[in-house]
Amino acid sequence: DTAVSQTPKYLVTQMGNDKSIKCEQNLGHDTMYWYKQDSKKFLKIMFSYNNKELIINETVPNRFSPKSPDKAHLNLHINSLELGDSAVYFCASSRTEQETQYFGPGTRLLVL
Amino acid sequence: QKEVEQDPGPLSVPEGAIVSLNCTYSNSAFQYFMWYRQYSRKGPELLMYTYSSGNKEDGRFTAQVDKSSKYISLFIRDSQPSDSATYLCAMSARTGGFKTIFGAGTRLFVKA
Repeated sequence: DTAVSQTPKYLVTQMGNDKSIKCEQNLGHDTMYWYKQDSKKFLKIMFSYNNKELIINETVPNRFSPKSPDKAHLNLHINSLELGDSAVYFCASSRTEQETQYFGPGTRLLVL
Repeated sequence: QKEVEQDPGPLSVPEGAIVSLNCTYSNSAFQYFMWYRQYSRKGPELLMYTYSSGNKEDGRFTAQVDKSSKYISLFIRDSQPSDSATYLCAMSARTGGFKTIFGAGTRLFVKA
């Protein structure tokens, strides 16, 4: 059973399009995250949610909008995609904010 | 200056060698220190998790934290080809939400 799953695994799209990435965790965790990993492997927090409430919102363009319909899901919607959005996006979850984070397999986004 | 500095490598060692990976940081508020391993095209997975200064050992892995020097290390004994991966240090502090900052990752190759 996959603990943290993301769909899709790969996403190739044109500049200007709107796309969504979905994340689900079956660990019963309260906290979920979105990270962006660029081509140099640098992993940076974008958002975190605790019990469906937004806790961290880093300086991310407001074209990126997270949505948590329930504790087990955290989706990421991206409007008006740009070339610089190409990266691997990782979802993660943890039981509480201080505890170990478990990462999903990543979504590889390529904007052409 | 980045909050967390980590040499990206690559680091290439023969099988059986002792590997030393290091990170320095600037924010004295960091309380929790972690090492993640990331295989190619996979999400990061937690290797070691320590709170405050000291050593922690788990099998072939030893994590050290020196808060006075703002320096953390991961040692891998008897390195194996299966240890070839990117190793990311990470540290957390409560600064407007409990935030985890990752290092850039060190790419390690263990040659058989």
